[in-house]
Amino acid sequence: QLVLTQSPSASASLGASVKLTCTLSSGHSSYAIAWHQQQPEKGPRYLMKLNSDGSHSKGDGIPDRFSGSSSGAERYLTISSLQSEDEADYYCQTWGTGMNWVFGGGTKLTVL
Amino acid sequence: EVQLVESGGVLVQPGGSLRLSCAASGFTFSSYAMNWVRQAPGKGLQWASYISTSGSTIYYADSVKGRFTISRDNAKNSLYLQMNSLRAEDTAVYYCARKERTGNKLGAFDIWGQGTMVTVSS
Repeated sequence: QLVLTQSPSASASLGASVKLTCTLSSGHSSYAIAWHQQQPEKGPRYLMKLNSDGSHSKGDGIPDRFSGSSSGAERYLTISSLQSEDEADYYCQTWGTGMNWVFGGGTKLTVL
Repeated sequence: EVQLVESGGVLVQPGGSLRLSCAASGFTFSSYAMNWVRQAPGKGLQWASYISTSGSTIYYADSVKGRFTISRDNAKNSLYLQMNSLRAEDTAVYYCARKERTGNKLGAFDIWGQGTMVTVSS
């Protein structure tokens, strides 16, 4: 079964960097994912598509502070030079050949 | 500006029906597959339904299959979700989302709307 696992919460200081993790279920380590940001009371915003080899393509207007990387079944989102507006929920998403789209449970990022 | 704007969310009684709309602008709507995604209060995102560019291919999550119907009108740049036999657990913000252009049905959702709230309660 295609499942994405994310830590419920993370925190980092203003100006620092943070690395969020999304883990693909067993047997799905070659899958690409997408990262989305959801600021409070807003709709999600597409950040990037991230492939298993670590290559990624970002959405329009996404700052260079946001980057992605991969290792095995893990997909990472790194945000550098954290700003207050980065405080948000971050969701990973993937898609399966069973014609279903799956989201991780989300990570709530707090900027201290 | 590329934009999706949902509308139609209201308070409805259990067992009732509702039709949501999503108006697209700023891109060639007919060239993109579209989706509905929902988010229950305080919860994460849940994919609900997919429709291909022409409307000929449709998929539903098990949780809404047989009760919800997705459709589109490419001449009006609009996406719809007909929701019947509504239950309390259907209470959520409903987002329309554009699927990126790829060579197949699969791919990321690269544009999202702001959402419309559906509350199912007596």
